[in-house]
Amino acid sequence: GAVVSQHPSWVICKSGTSVKIECRSLDFQATTMFWYRQFPKQSLMLMATSNEGSKATYEQGVEKDKFLINHASLTLSTLTVTSAHPEDSSFYICSASKGIGNNYGYTFGSGTRLTVV
Amino acid sequence: GEDVEQSLFLSVREGDSSVINCTYTDSSSTYLYWYKQEPGAGLQLLTYIFSNMDMKQDQRLTVLLNKKDKHLSLRIADTQTGDSAIYFCAEKYDSSNTGKLIFGQGTTLQVKP
Repeated sequence: GAVVSQHPSWVICKSGTSVKIECRSLDFQATTMFWYRQFPKQSLMLMATSNEGSKATYEQGVEKDKFLINHASLTLSTLTVTSAHPEDSSFYICSASKGIGNNYGYTFGSGTRLTVV
Repeated sequence: GEDVEQSLFLSVREGDSSVINCTYTDSSSTYLYWYKQEPGAGLQLLTYIFSNMDMKQDQRLTVLLNKKDKHLSLRIADTQTGDSAIYFCAEKYDSSNTGKLIFGQGTTLQVKP
């Protein structure tokens, strides 16, 4: 089955530093990847959609200069939280899909718990 | 705009059936999904249903779709303590042609022994 590996599982960083989260599709080519943010006991909030080789499409209210997304290959997308602050502490989850048409399905990573101190 | 609503909490006894309900607003949705999330983990796809279907059964899971009322439900038969988790319904928001999913708030299922 489709597997998505997300690293790191958790990270603690100091305010002002940047953190990179990786999302890899291990056994399929992910044309489209999605990045979500989840606050405790809340739903997943879509941050951005990225297609391989093109710029990410950000949802309204998400700062693209703050949350840098790179989807350089069909198996890897990265989310970099730049100049992190405590309010960026959250659970970040990626999702990968072979495409958006019909039902290619969505495979989720295991998530990254970011704590900014 | 698109919106997906779920009840927040459900408590059942082990062995009983659980029914988790969901309503959505986008009539153009083609696929609707149920995901399970255990503490500190990502989302695990449980099942999905295509919008031209009324029902789908997969072992202990039964999905019912009422497209007229935009109502989706997930029934878990013979609920076990291992089923305790948060369950999210999601619709594929086809109107945007981005393939993005819109999630409900999640229903916390508590299974008592």
